[in-house]
Amino acid sequence: GAGVSQSPSNKVTEKGKDVELRCDPISGHTALYWYRQSLGQGLEFLIYFQGNSAPDKSGLPSDRFSAERTGGSVSTLTIQRTQQEDSAVYLCASSPYEGNSPLHFGNGTRLTVT
Amino acid sequence: AQKITQTQPGMFVQEKEAVTLDCTYDTSDPSYGLFWYKQPSSGEMIFLIYQGSYDQQNATEGRYSLNFQKARKSANLVISASQLGDSAMYFCAMREHSSASKIIFGSGTRLSIRP
Repeated sequence: GAGVSQSPSNKVTEKGKDVELRCDPISGHTALYWYRQSLGQGLEFLIYFQGNSAPDKSGLPSDRFSAERTGGSVSTLTIQRTQQEDSAVYLCASSPYEGNSPLHFGNGTRLTVT
Repeated sequence: AQKITQTQPGMFVQEKEAVTLDCTYDTSDPSYGLFWYKQPSSGEMIFLIYQGSYDQQNATEGRYSLNFQKARKSANLVISASQLGDSAMYFCAMREHSSASKIIFGSGTRLSIRP
């Protein structure tokens, strides 16, 4: 079946512009996660959805970052007034709501802020 | 608060040798799960192996095994008979079950296999 799909795969934007990153999880997966990975670094947790609600937003770096999920499916991560330090790969992952279920990752969106 | 620590930023291993990648964690939740992922240079995240906190035996998946020492809060990944294709970043991750909370990742270990 289809895996986690993220779009766009690459995004170059000018400092100060807003960007939207999209994640389409595996059908039936109720949990959805966003992570950020800077070059050569680990995965930084951003936000987690269970269904349409976000019980944990603790990782969002600033109020410029927001995310939503509609219909228990597609999620959008929005970054307003982008800064150069926002440049990174943004990874989305989904899983069934079961404790031992691994995350299934998309291929990420590489964001470059110039 | 949950925390994952990987103390080896990089490792070099000769092909066909076994290698152990270290992972320690901290949690107050008695029920949790531990995961290992591989990230090759292509960037994809590949799930390798899972260990539950109540599992009686160490998890194994092919050449991968997990050396789970609960009292020490360590979950080291062992790769037997390493291959050139094992060269990648390896991440340890944890999920606490009681709160069904976020899965957090360690900083990773870059493994390089020498021919």
